Amino acid sequence: DIQMTQSPSYVSASVGDSVTITCRASQAIGSRLAWYQQKPGKAPKLLIYTTSSLKFGVPSRFSGSGSGTDFTLTISSLQAEDFASYYCQQSNTFPLTFGGGTKVEVK
Amino acid sequence: EVQLVESGGGWVQTGGSLRLSCVASGFTFNTYEMNWVRQAPGKGLEWVSYIGSSATSTSNADSVKGRFSISRDNSRSSLYLQMNSLRVEDTAIYYCARGVGFGGGTFDVWGPGTMVTVSP
Repeated sequence: DIQMTQSPSYVSASVGDSVTITCRASQAIGSRLAWYQQKPGKAPKLLIYTTSSLKFGVPSRFSGSGSGTDFTLTISSLQAEDFASYYCQQSNTFPLTFGGGTKVEVK
Repeated sequence: EVQLVESGGGWVQTGGSLRLSCVASGFTFNTYEMNWVRQAPGKGLEWVSYIGSSATSTSNADSVKGRFSISRDNSRSSLYLQMNSLRVEDTAIYYCARGVGFGGGTFDVWGPGTMVTVSP
């Protein structure tokens, strides 16, 4: 199975800050990586697919990059509505696997 | 509006069974791959099962293999998860999710989830 390791697990930030979350795959997955946002009590929402493609309607302050085994999600200017948990997920191979999550908290 | 709505969750004792359902609307259900993803209380996301658009292909996580079975009825725009031999560790919110992209493995639409509680 492909293990997805996310870091950090928690990040404290303020509105306007830039936040970067990293995700490392235990083996190469090409560009088959997605990022999801989840708020408490809600279902996850797709933000980014195939590493860097923004889902329609997702603000451009979200961006993704990487390839192979190392990937990043960057929120360029954190807004109040961005305080949430974020998960990476590989779709290269079954079983599909998620990273452990990163909670972005108010500083 | 594209929508998924799960039902069928509830409380069950260890060893029991439940059948989850997910009804889709707002899109052509029979052209999309579908998945079940779960989240234990306070924990992260775990993919559970996948089914191809015509139900000819399925895949399950090792943690549920031999106990859970995914199926679909395209005439009813419905997805199902039959869960047998339930364990305490199966306690979670279960989400159905539409699959897109390579192998249907990116989840672009999610339902609100249905809670399954398995007690000892």
